Amino acid sequence: DIQVTQSPSSLSASIGDRVTITCRASQDISNYLNWYQQKPGKAPKLLIYEASNLETGVPSRFSGSGSGTYFTFTISSLQPEDVATYYCQQYDDLPPLTFGGGTKVELK
Amino acid sequence: EEYLVQSGGGLVKPGGSLKLSCEGFGFTFRDAWMTWVRQAPGKGLEWVGRIKSKSDGWTTDYAAPVKGRFTVSRDDSRDTLFLQMNSLKTEDTAVYYCATELTYDAFDVWGQGTLVTVSS
Repeated sequence: DIQVTQSPSSLSASIGDRVTITCRASQDISNYLNWYQQKPGKAPKLLIYEASNLETGVPSRFSGSGSGTYFTFTISSLQPEDVATYYCQQYDDLPPLTFGGGTKVELK
Repeated sequence: EEYLVQSGGGLVKPGGSLKLSCEGFGFTFRDAWMTWVRQAPGKGLEWVGRIKSKSDGWTTDYAAPVKGRFTVSRDDSRDTLFLQMNSLKTEDTAVYYCATELTYDAFDVWGQGTLVTVSS
C-alpha cells in the first residue's frame, strides 16, 4: 500500500501569510495527488487535482506542485475563510486509495 | 449542477447492520465510479470502498478494515449508490460520505455525509 505522509499536522498563521503544506508518498505516484479543504461539519472540497491543477472556481491564491514522491500545497496569502483542515490524497495505486493525515490551519 | 444526497445512518449496536444510500443528481449516474469515504470523530479521511460503472464491469474494491463486512452496490435505474454494513464494530463509528469523480481522477462531487454510531 502507498503511504502518504502529510506535514505539519497543524499550523498557525496570520492573515496575508504564505502557508505551505507538504505530502510525501512512500513510492512514485507521478502526479496522481489531489488536495482537499474541509471545514468543520462539512464535506471535503476539491481544490487541486493532479498535483498542480486548480479546480474550477477555486481562488488563485491556492496552488500545488510536485511529482513523484514529494508534493507541496501553498496558500499565497492566507484569508480568514481559509481556516480549515487540508488533506492530500494519492490516486496512483488502489486499493487502497489513501489520504494524508490532514493539516489544520488556524489564525494566529 | 451535480450533487449527491445521502440518507440512512443512525445508531446501531455492535454486530448489527445498517444500509446507507446516496442518490446522484445532475450527471449521468450510470457512467460514474462511486466511492464511500468515512471520517471517525475528530479524525482524518479514510477511503472505504468504491464501485465502478457497468461499462467497467461494476467492479468493487474495499479497504482492508471493512473487506468482507461491507458491500458497495448501485442501482443505476434509481441513480443510487448503497453501502451495506454488516457485523458493525465500535470503530466503524464515523461520518460516511459518498463521492464521485466526474471530471478528473479526484473526488469533485461529495454527499453531505451521514453519521453512523455503533454503540451498545
